[in-house]
Amino acid sequence: ETGVTQSPTHLIKTRGQQVTLRCSSQSGHNTVSWYQQALGQGPQFIFQYYREEENGRGNFPPRFSGLQFPNYSSELNVNALELDDSALYLCASSLAGHGNTEAFFGQGTRLTVV
Amino acid sequence: GENVEQHPSTLSVQEGDSAVIKCTYSDSASNYFPWYKQELGKGPQLIIDIRSNVGEKKDQRIAVTLNKTAKHFSLHITETQPEDSAVYFCAASRYNTDKLIFGTGTRLQVFP
Repeated sequence: ETGVTQSPTHLIKTRGQQVTLRCSSQSGHNTVSWYQQALGQGPQFIFQYYREEENGRGNFPPRFSGLQFPNYSSELNVNALELDDSALYLCASSLAGHGNTEAFFGQGTRLTVV
Repeated sequence: GENVEQHPSTLSVQEGDSAVIKCTYSDSASNYFPWYKQELGKGPQLIIDIRSNVGEKKDQRIAVTLNKTAKHFSLHITETQPEDSAVYFCAASRYNTDKLIFGTGTRLQVFP
């Protein structure tokens, strides 16, 4: 186990709704990255948060937004859900800076948009 | 843009045989190359990684090689076991906490 936990594990939403996904990073990690993994594909980078600030963003529209809290846990928010947003959403935590570490992934949240 | 190509998409081997998965990356600034194993219903699990100042790294039955000039890196699994069956992803990034660019995955099946 990586120590990275995500909630919920599964979620069904209707097109046009909004969703919030949560991630608790591994103890001691200060960086959280979010990825979207469509069925049969590799994960695609959404954005990264480092010490509560967005630190890089992939090719995703502004309706994908995030937060990182002082305890380094994080949220991914998606507004105006579309059918194509159906995917496994993964978060990964790491330690950036002195003694930096590799990224460790949570088990993911499976989002289905109907 | 940044891209990682991965081959083959599926690989079936007999237990005890070797398996090789190959990746090619486009960003010449990439310096960190991890490999992840993803089992059904789980998140990717880091199994081995290599940095650009090293040409080869081995950990028991798993080895990774890197050719930075050709922008190729490969995963080698020897003496495969049924529990090695999973989807394997290669990835590339500029450093180990940077965004990862993933390949499209290889579904490995090891038959007893």
